[in-house]
This record gives sequence, structure tokens and C-alpha cells, in this order.
Amino acid sequence: DAGVTQSPTHLIKTRGQQVTLRCSPKSGHDTVSWYQQALGQGPQFIFQYYEEEERQRGNFPDRFSGHQFPNYSSELNVNALLLGDSALYLCASSRDRRYGYTFGSGTRLTVV
Amino acid sequence: GNSVTQMEGPVTLSEEAFLTINCTYTATGYPSLFWYVQYPGEGLQLLLKATKADDKGSNKGFEATYRKETTSFHLEKGSVQVSDSAVYFCALSDSGGYQKVTFGIGTKLQVIP
Repeated sequence: DAGVTQSPTHLIKTRGQQVTLRCSPKSGHDTVSWYQQALGQGPQFIFQYYEEEERQRGNFPDRFSGHQFPNYSSELNVNALLLGDSALYLCASSRDRRYGYTFGSGTRLTVV
Repeated sequence: GNSVTQMEGPVTLSEEAFLTINCTYTATGYPSLFWYVQYPGEGLQLLLKATKADDKGSNKGFEATYRKETTSFHLEKGSVQVSDSAVYFCALSDSGGYQKVTFGIGTKLQVIP
């Protein structure tokens, strides 16, 4: 049983560009959350998707947007990239809060 | 809002030493509590969890007890190994219907032979 799959694993973009990151949740999971982890920091919650709707959002600007598809997979889009957007972006899926999240290995985004 | 406070790292221990990483939290209601581990260059792995007061989560020799009276969830292991070297994150999931997880800053553990 595959866990959470994220693509790509690494990405280099230029300031001002746009990027799309992808996530396939673990089988049986219907909720997908995205986190940003800056170097040396804990993950920061970006937003959560359930039934193709954004259910909760953290303190991130509108440049960060997302989507969830009927098969529960998800995309994270970031527009007008800034140098400060360089981080590890983690996707996590779950089916019940009591059991915690299953995390993917992340996408390392570098903005130059 | 919810918050998690962890002891600052890094923590350096000799192999077979006893490990304690302190974690306290602030939350309304009855959150679920977790410890996640992150090995270099990897994502996060769930290490253990507890969903109600006085529950003890345990896995791979690690354990933590949900203490509501002290709002704590300290991670312990009796004898650490070099392979335990990683960053450990304390986290909580709020008690509402949503599943947002709030993480601590992480504590880096280095175990030397």
C-alpha cells in the first residue's frame, strides 16, 4: 500500500514565477493538508482540503492556492514566488484526526 | 490559538543514555497529541500518539503520556541508539471536527557512539 506520494521531489524556480506541487494521498484517506517547513523550523499549516473544498487555512497569503480532485489527490499552487518561499513543502493525508497524519517525503522548492 | 512548546535543541547523548524531550501545549478542549520524527532529508513519520488524558503512546522503545493536568506530553526512551538521531516534533490536533495539526519547533537529537 503506497503512502503519500509527492511530486516533484526537488524544484528550482526563479523569483516571480509560478509553481504547482502535486500530492496523492494514502489509500483510504480523504483529507489532504499542506505544510511549509522552512529550514530549521517546524511545519507551518497552509491549508486543508476535504471533499474538494478548502476547509481550513493558515496564515498564508492568497498567492498560495490549492485544489483537491475527486480522487482525493491535491495540488498546491504558489504564484509570484518570493525568495522566502524556499522551503520543504509537505503534503499529509488522514481519515480521522485521532490517528494522525501520514506525511509524504516533501517537495524541496528553491527560489532563486 | 493552539500552540506547542518544545525544549530547545540540539540534544547530544551518548549511546544507551536516557532520553527526555519536554513538550507542553496550549489548546482548548481535548486535543490529540503526537510525536513525529524526521530523519535527514526525509518527511515526517508518526512515532506515537495519544488521544485522551492519561493515555500512553509507545513505539520503538519511545513513550509519552498525555498529562492534561500539566498540559504536557514528554517523550522518553530508556536507551537511545545512534539510529535514533533525528529531529523530533511534538504536535497536537485540535478537538474540533477539523484535523489541523500544530507543530512545535522540533528538537534535534544527536546520539554519539
